[in-house]
Amino acid sequence: GNSVTQMEGPVTLSEEAFLTINCTYTATGYPSLFWYVQYPGEGLQLLLKATKADDKGSNKGFEATYRKETTSFHLEKGSVQVSDSAVYFCALGSGGFKTIFGAGTRLFVKA
Amino acid sequence: DVKVTQSSRYLVKRTGEKVFLECVQDMDHENMFWYRQDPGLGLRLIYFSYDVKMKEKGDIPEGYSVSREKKERFSLILESASTNQTSMYLCASRLSDTSNSGNTIYFGEGSWLTVV
Repeated sequence: GNSVTQMEGPVTLSEEAFLTINCTYTATGYPSLFWYVQYPGEGLQLLLKATKADDKGSNKGFEATYRKETTSFHLEKGSVQVSDSAVYFCALGSGGFKTIFGAGTRLFVKA
Repeated sequence: DVKVTQSSRYLVKRTGEKVFLECVQDMDHENMFWYRQDPGLGLRLIYFSYDVKMKEKGDIPEGYSVSREKKERFSLILESASTNQTSMYLCASRLSDTSNSGNTIYFGEGSWLTVV
């Protein structure tokens, strides 16, 4: 069946450091891929998405490229801020109604 | 902006009580979802509804039921609350996406339920 695996956290970085959160997936067909972010005390919100291979999603300085050859959708940001501290979820949508979420990666950014 | 509103942010209920969690969305979305979120387990789908009066079991439906009498409202019901249902519950909605066009899921802020 379809699945999403993302790196375990927590990830702790200093402000202005480079961020990578790895996400790989298993799916049949041509899924859409998402990154959602959850700030403390809130629900999830869409950060970025890509709906076909080689697409790059980007938002708020974050980027992720849909790589079909490596079945990956890694999240990157060149310079993190304290306000980026949150939990990040990789997710996969593959037809029908279900979206599959990864376990989430907590990011702490220190000033 | 799409808004998904969950009626209660924090609830404390006793074991055996019947619990209702209410969710309303204001964007005329066909699909609505209930998830629970637990540390280390991510989001797990309890039930979803692809349209009014339609519902399907998700991955962990045991101990829960749902109701969707109107398009904008999706209720989660714990028939007899138990301590292992202590969790954060998230409601979400989305435009119908059976073709996997990548429609965004919009989440409410969550309801923290403690069963004692």
